[in-house]
Amino acid sequence: NAGVTQTPKFRILKIGQSMTLQCAQDMNHNYMYWYRQDPGMGLKLIYYSVGAGITDKGEVPNGYNVSRSTTEDFPLRLELAAPSQTSVYFCASRGTGSSPLHFGNGTRLTVT
Amino acid sequence: DAKTTQPNSMESNEEEPVHLPCNHSTISGTDYIHWYRQLPSQGPEYVIHGLTSNVNNRMASLAIAEDRKSSTLILHRATLRDAAVYYCILTKTNTGNQFYFGTGTSLTVIP
Repeated sequence: NAGVTQTPKFRILKIGQSMTLQCAQDMNHNYMYWYRQDPGMGLKLIYYSVGAGITDKGEVPNGYNVSRSTTEDFPLRLELAAPSQTSVYFCASRGTGSSPLHFGNGTRLTVT
Repeated sequence: DAKTTQPNSMESNEEEPVHLPCNHSTISGTDYIHWYRQLPSQGPEYVIHGLTSNVNNRMASLAIAEDRKSSTLILHRATLRDAAVYYCILTKTNTGNQFYFGTGTSLTVIP
């Protein structure tokens, strides 16, 4: 199994550009999450989803949008990139009950 | 949501046991205690989790206080590969399912 796959691994954006960070999991997990991690800091929850068609805001949702049309995919959309969105973005998924998070390898985004 | 408090950093000698503490005085009865670690330049990885009883797995042990207001992650013999940031997280699995990470404890292993 591939687990949680994130693409791209790296991206440089200009201010005002938009992009979509892709996240896919092949474990049939209902729950999926997007986090960002700024240098030297812990992870901040951006959005999460408890199943297809259901999403909710986390701690830092401003400037981002998500959708969950299938169980497997949970893309994160940046509409108007700003330098403050320079960060490493991690996607994670988990099964039901108390099962743990499985993380992808991250996308390193730089906005200049 | 219940918060956790961890020391910013700890040091351990290689091949010695390491006890990483976590305080969670506002924990509720439905909160699970999860531990993750993040190696340099990698995504977080799951270590262990529990509700009330102590737990053991191949990576570590989790000791949970009787009142559940604190817990300790125990690495039985630290190796250089265990140098990482360790996060203690509380999560309600019956509502919301949010997993909020704090700043964690940065563990340095001294050869």
